[in-house]
Amino acid sequence: AQTVTQSQPEMSVQEAETVTLSCTYDTSESDYYLFWYKQPPSRQMILVIRQEAYKQQNATENRFSVNFQKAAKSFSLKISDSQLGDAAMYFCAYRSRRGSNYKLTFGKGTLLTVNP
Amino acid sequence: SAVISQKPSRDICQRGTSLTIQCQVDSQVTMMFWYRQQPGQSLTLIATANQGSEATYESGFVIDKFPISRPNLTFSTLTVSNMSPEDSSIYLCSFSGDGKQDTQYFGPGTRLTVL
Repeated sequence: AQTVTQSQPEMSVQEAETVTLSCTYDTSESDYYLFWYKQPPSRQMILVIRQEAYKQQNATENRFSVNFQKAAKSFSLKISDSQLGDAAMYFCAYRSRRGSNYKLTFGKGTLLTVNP
Repeated sequence: SAVISQKPSRDICQRGTSLTIQCQVDSQVTMMFWYRQQPGQSLTLIATANQGSEATYESGFVIDKFPISRPNLTFSTLTVSNMSPEDSSIYLCSFSGDGKQDTQYFGPGTRLTVL
């Protein structure tokens, strides 16, 4: 079974600075998807970024980028120019591409605080 | 992209009762999912709901406790039956199929407290 590990329960960053959230995963598969979701206090899960394992290029969405290291099974999220609205719980998630297995497996999350 | 909503947004219920949570998407989607997020925890998939077939439940979740309906391609319900305080959680629905089969988009969640 796949597992996702987020080793940082909490992180903090100053406004306008850069922060990196860590995620590692364990799988025997070669083709899969990885995601970062954010969950603000409103509790809605919002997709931040997605990465397809067969693509070597790291995904980027505006101020959010990932460092995808397939051999190391590492998928970190970098937030540049942090804003107060970035404060949230961030979850890393894995999804297999095999067959009809659409299940998302989530890490335990990292609570990000942004200090003004 | 499609908009997803859930009702109710929160509820407080007595033990032994049941609550039905509704999930509505404003366009037709292939697959819908129900997750549970216990206090301070991550999300765990309860079941996958496909239109026209029985829901597929994950290990540890059973149909008698969490019956699910999927009458059409825009709507699903999850019932939490015979509730106990351990059922106090946030319940979230999600969908895939809005042009990107591989990505799930989530509703705002239902916060359930069982007394």
